[in-house]
Amino acid sequence: DAGVIQSPRHEVTEMGQEVTLRCKPISGHDYLFWYRQTMMRGLELLIYFNNNVPIDDSGMPEDRFSAKMPNASFSTLKIQPSEPRDSAVYFCASRGTSGGAGANVLTFGAGSRLTVL
Amino acid sequence: AQTVTQSQPEMSVQEAETVTLSCTYDTSENNYYLFWYKQPPSRQMILVIRQEAYKQQNATENRFSVNFQKAAKSFSLKISDSQLGDTAMYFCAFMPGTYKYIFGTGTRLKVLA
Repeated sequence: DAGVIQSPRHEVTEMGQEVTLRCKPISGHDYLFWYRQTMMRGLELLIYFNNNVPIDDSGMPEDRFSAKMPNASFSTLKIQPSEPRDSAVYFCASRGTSGGAGANVLTFGAGSRLTVL
Repeated sequence: AQTVTQSQPEMSVQEAETVTLSCTYDTSENNYYLFWYKQPPSRQMILVIRQEAYKQQNATENRFSVNFQKAAKSFSLKISDSQLGDTAMYFCAFMPGTYKYIFGTGTRLKVLA
């Protein structure tokens, strides 16, 4: 498996523009998480899905942020309109519920570094 | 509130020496999982080691081992025979039964040649 795949790796945009980050989880994983990492706030959970259904979005900072998971192999995190304070690294992670050594382990993508000017 | 605390923002160790990174957590749950993740400069988050709270035996993975003290809610990571490639940010994480993984603020470890 290629692991969790995120795109783009880097995004530079201007304030007010729409940003869409994409994630392909590991095949067979039924949980998907979106995290944001900044120096000031560390790793923050934004939202997570189970079987494509959003379970907890209490970490989404405001209405400008939205996330979707239309199917088991794809999720998006959208920011509209973007602001400079949204600059961060956004991670997608997935996990499965099967037993064994991988049970309950979060596998992260490489992250998307967003810079809003 | 369920929290994870890493009290050492930065640490350094000489190559081939041993270093211990501390982590404490707070929860009223009895069953949960604990993890250490490594984030090198490439920023990829990599699992180092995992511990299940109901297992008394401390987890080990090659040069990495943990000291899990459930009553004290402590979960430290020991790195033996430190290597230059161990230089990274290390995050302690905790997962109670809700599947919300809670991360500490990290410890930046530098291995010196």
